[in-house]
Amino acid sequence: DADVTQTPRNRITKTGKRIMLECSQTKGHDRMYWYRQDPGLGLRLIYYSFDVKDINKGEISDGYSVSRQAQAKFSLSLESAIPNQTALYFCATSAPFVLAGTGELFFGEGSRLTVL
Amino acid sequence: AQKITQTQPGMFVQEKEAVTLDCTYDTSDPSYGLFWYKQPSSGEMIFLIYQGSYDQQNATEGRYSLNFQKARKSANLVISASQLGDSAMYFCAMREGPYSNTGNQFYFGTGTSLTVIP
Repeated sequence: DADVTQTPRNRITKTGKRIMLECSQTKGHDRMYWYRQDPGLGLRLIYYSFDVKDINKGEISDGYSVSRQAQAKFSLSLESAIPNQTALYFCATSAPFVLAGTGELFFGEGSRLTVL
Repeated sequence: AQKITQTQPGMFVQEKEAVTLDCTYDTSDPSYGLFWYKQPSSGEMIFLIYQGSYDQQNATEGRYSLNFQKARKSANLVISASQLGDSAMYFCAMREGPYSNTGNQFYFGTGTSLTVIP
């Protein structure tokens, strides 16, 4: 099983609908992230959380909200989806920079969202 | 200013040849980490290699090496003996140090699409 699991993997929805993307991890990491990938734009940070009580906005948080239900779970919500939120969404985790040898991001497999 | 710049949207390389993917970064933090990820057409993100700002030697992982030129703020990925399976998007990323005001965020470039030609 994957260390970082995202559900759903693919979702097609309509404008105005509420969508939740879920992420769970077995890495034991405190740090969790949500990124969005668009062609030509790379990965952009939406929200990140360094522990259950710590939630921070990233570069492009407008139109999104998150919930950190437990150390292992971090959900991303689109309250009222719009077509320009069509993208590939990644959840990721990492160990703290000071402790880990590399502290790299571990990614989920991605959730492809299409908003019609 | 962009934290990570990848100026090559697309690259082609002949099978078995070496290829260099360019990456420059911008930071004033003395402590940072540089990463390369591979994204095949299936979409997953695969960690390839890491270079710490205080590392004296260039990082190597199998056929991957990172040409780290600190003064020029460049962290180019070199893939030796290219294989067809190397065809993918490649992303350069940076993470500033634990005491930076960026909260240890990771910054990504826009990626380079590499195609290996048989």
